[in-house]
Parts: sequence; C-alpha cells; structure tokens
Amino acid sequence: AQRVTQPEKLLSVFKGAPVELKCNYSYSGSPELFWYVQYSRQRLQLLLRHISRESIKGFTADLNKGETSFHLKKPFAQEEDSAMYYCAPMDSNYQLIWGAGTKLIIKP
Amino acid sequence: DAGVTQSPTHLIKTRGQQVTLRCSPKSGHDTVSWYQQALGQGPQFIFQYYEEEERQRGNFPDRFSGHQFPNYSSELNVNALLLGDSALYLCASSLQQHSAGNTIYFGEGSWLTVV
Repeated sequence: AQRVTQPEKLLSVFKGAPVELKCNYSYSGSPELFWYVQYSRQRLQLLLRHISRESIKGFTADLNKGETSFHLKKPFAQEEDSAMYYCAPMDSNYQLIWGAGTKLIIKP
Repeated sequence: DAGVTQSPTHLIKTRGQQVTLRCSPKSGHDTVSWYQQALGQGPQFIFQYYEEEERQRGNFPDRFSGHQFPNYSSELNVNALLLGDSALYLCASSLQQHSAGNTIYFGEGSWLTVV
C-alpha cells in the first residue's frame, strides 16, 4: 500500500536557523509530490509542488527517487513559518496520499 | 470569491444519528472531494464527485455517502454515526478532476463530534 511517513510529529527550531521537514514515501511509480501547510486557524493550502519546481516563502523541496524522499527545506526560518506541514504524494488516480503532518514551531 | 465554503462549522450528534455536511466549491470548480481528518492525523480521502457522480472512493464504509448537485455543490452524508466518526471533515475542490497540474483548494472544514 502507498504510504507517506513524516517521522517528526513536532519540530522546534530557532528563528534564523535552517529547517528541514522530512518526508518519505513508498510508491512504485513516479508520483507527483506536494507539500501543504496549515497556519493557525486557517485552512489547508498548497505550499509547493514538485512538478513546478517552485520556491514559495523560501521553501524548497528536493525529490530523491533513490531514497524516495521529498524533504522540505528552508535556509533561515521565520516566526511566521510556524504551522502544520503535510507531505502528500499524488497516486495514479490523482488522489493525494497524506502524511500525518509535522508541527513546526519557530522560537524567537 | 469566497473560496470553498462548508457548513456547518461545528456540530454535535448522538451515536446512531445521521448527519449531512455541505460544501460549495470555489467559483469555476467542478470537482469536489471529501476528506476525514481525525485529531493528530492527516486527511483521509473519502470520495470524489465530478459531473454529479461519485468517481473515486477511499476506504470508507457505505455509511458514508454523498451527492453533487448541478451547481457543483456537494453534500456528505453519514448514517448510523459511531463515536469514531468524530473528526474534521474537509471539502476540497478543483477544476476537471484532480490532476498534478490543478491546484486543490480546501474549505475550513466541519467539526463533527459524536457523543
């Protein structure tokens, strides 16, 4: 079965420090991969998608097919980055398979 | 554009009852999906509607049913509620069925508590 693992339930870093949110997936094909973010009291929203190789709010994510990982990175964390982050590969039926999420807390 | 809107925002039901949740997609979107998000977990796909038909379904029992109307709005119905159905129910919409290129927009969700 397809599965997504976000090993850290909670990640706490200081403002200005680098951030890496881990995501590993098990999938036989070459899925499209997404990161979604949910800020406090806001709805889930798309942060970035691998297909467009974009960088949003300073975040990037590199697909490593060998390790089946799609870790989310930002070189210098900001307080407004505190949120819940979800990794979500898309399966062959174009459905998102969600990880359990990582809560990122940026300490001042 | 109000984006995806859901109602009600919160509700409490008794075990065994039935509930209907409603969703209006983002303007111009014709595809609606429903997700269940239990506390501390990621969303779980329930089903997707396109052209008023259920196109895909996740691993949920038949107690979960839905409908899409000609104006693309949608309802999620859950019968014979169980305590384990307590969760946040999310509606998401996109254009012409979800694909890698289409952006999926989410509503704020309906919090269902079953007591």
